[in-house]
Amino acid sequence: GENVEQHPSTLSVQEGDSAVIKCTYSDSASNYFPWYKQELGKGPQLIIDIRSNVGEKKDQRIAVTLNKTAKHFSLHITETQPEDSAVYFCAASKGSGGYQKVTFGIGTKLQVIP
Amino acid sequence: DTEVTQTPKHLVMGMTNKKSLKCEQHMGHRAMYWYKQKAKKPPELMFVYSYEKLSINESVPSRFSPECPNSSLLNLHLHALQPEDSALYLCASSQVTGYSNQPQHFGDGTRLSIL
Repeated sequence: GENVEQHPSTLSVQEGDSAVIKCTYSDSASNYFPWYKQELGKGPQLIIDIRSNVGEKKDQRIAVTLNKTAKHFSLHITETQPEDSAVYFCAASKGSGGYQKVTFGIGTKLQVIP
Repeated sequence: DTEVTQTPKHLVMGMTNKKSLKCEQHMGHRAMYWYKQKAKKPPELMFVYSYEKLSINESVPSRFSPECPNSSLLNLHLHALQPEDSALYLCASSQVTGYSNQPQHFGDGTRLSIL
C-alpha cells in the first residue's frame, strides 16, 4: 500500500518568515495530493490540493509543488502569521473519481512566533 | 463553520453502554467516511460508504457498527467499547465524479471518552 512520509514533525518560525513542509510518497499510481490544516479542537480543513498533471499550484500565501519523478511534494507558506499555527497533514490518494482511500503523513506542528 | 456536521461534540460512556455518533452533510456528496484520530496522530480510516453501500471496512472491531440510512446521513453505532477506543471520531464526505478525485470535507469530530 501507499506510504507517505512527512517532515519535519515540528516547525517553529518567526512571524513573517516562510515555512516549508516536505512529503514523499511510495506508490507511483497516486495522483491526488491534498494538504489539510487542523487547529486544536477542529477537524482537518483542506487548504490546497494538487493533481499529478500539475507541477505547482498557488493560492495567495500558500503554494504546493509536486515532483512526480522523485515522488515528493511540498507545502510552502509565505509571510506566516500567528493564525497559521496548527498541525498540517499531507496526503496521497489514487483513483479516478470514486471514493478514495487517502493515506496521511504523520503531521507537522507549525508554531508561528509573533 | 464546516459543512459536515457531527453530533454530539463530546461523549462520555461506560464500557457497557450503547451510543451512536451522527454525521450529516447536504453537499450532495455520495461518498462518506469514518475516521478515528488519536492524539498527535493522523486520522485512520475506519469505514467508507459509496452510494449508501459499505465499500471499505478497515478490519474494524464489531463493537463499531456503521450505518448509512440515506445519502446525507452517516451513523456510527457503539457498543461495549474499550478504554483504548477513546479518541476523536471524524466524519468526512466527498463528491463522486467518475473522472478525478475530489477533496474530502471533514466535520469537527466527536470527542469520545470511555470510562
